[in-house]
Amino acid sequence: LAKTTQPISMDSYEGQEVNITCSHNNIATNDYITWYQQFPSQGPRFIIQGYKTKVTNEVASLFIPADRKSSTLSLPRVSLSDTAVYYCLVGVNTNAGKSTFGDGTTLTVKP
Amino acid sequence: NAGVTQTPKFRILKIGQSMTLQCTQDMNHNYMYWYRQDPGMGLKLIYYSVGAGITDKGEVPNGYNVSRSTTEDFPLRLELAAPSQTSVYFCATLPRGPNEKLFFGSGTQLSVL
Repeated sequence: LAKTTQPISMDSYEGQEVNITCSHNNIATNDYITWYQQFPSQGPRFIIQGYKTKVTNEVASLFIPADRKSSTLSLPRVSLSDTAVYYCLVGVNTNAGKSTFGDGTTLTVKP
Repeated sequence: NAGVTQTPKFRILKIGQSMTLQCTQDMNHNYMYWYRQDPGMGLKLIYYSVGAGITDKGEVPNGYNVSRSTTEDFPLRLELAAPSQTSVYFCATLPRGPNEKLFFGSGTQLSVL
């Protein structure tokens, strides 16, 4: 299973763009990259998933370079409600879904 | 659709007691998982199931047991509860197909005193 490395914490202010990078050096050829968001006392919630280049949805963008050894979650114009823990997972689509959750990145958005 | 439903939401156990955490889903997903999350940490996989009648160990299976008699239900059994099992437990499901993503329940907060 591919291991992931993320910054432990990040601070931002409302209205700014936030980029959270995840390293996954031993990603396998067929592995997808998935990001989840978790608020206190709740289960993680899916944000975005991609395989290569760029993926965008209504809440975030995901940038994946050609070597796929890292990925960057981009949150445009964050608000206080984006304060949460963000997890990067690799290979949910393989290995019977047994992806490894790291400790995630705690994002704190300040007014 | 209710999605993934976990019961109870909170429970306090005494050391040595046993209990079953319930997880049920109405999305007809074949894959189901049990995770535990200690304060300030990520989720660790306890057990998982790829379909009815099939279960397998994850990273931290000791002290737990599971069964999967139906697609909908995946109960987690704690035998001889210990303080080290104080944690928040999450059940999740995964569909197979082009948009594979984990769906999580709201969790069970368990304290063993």
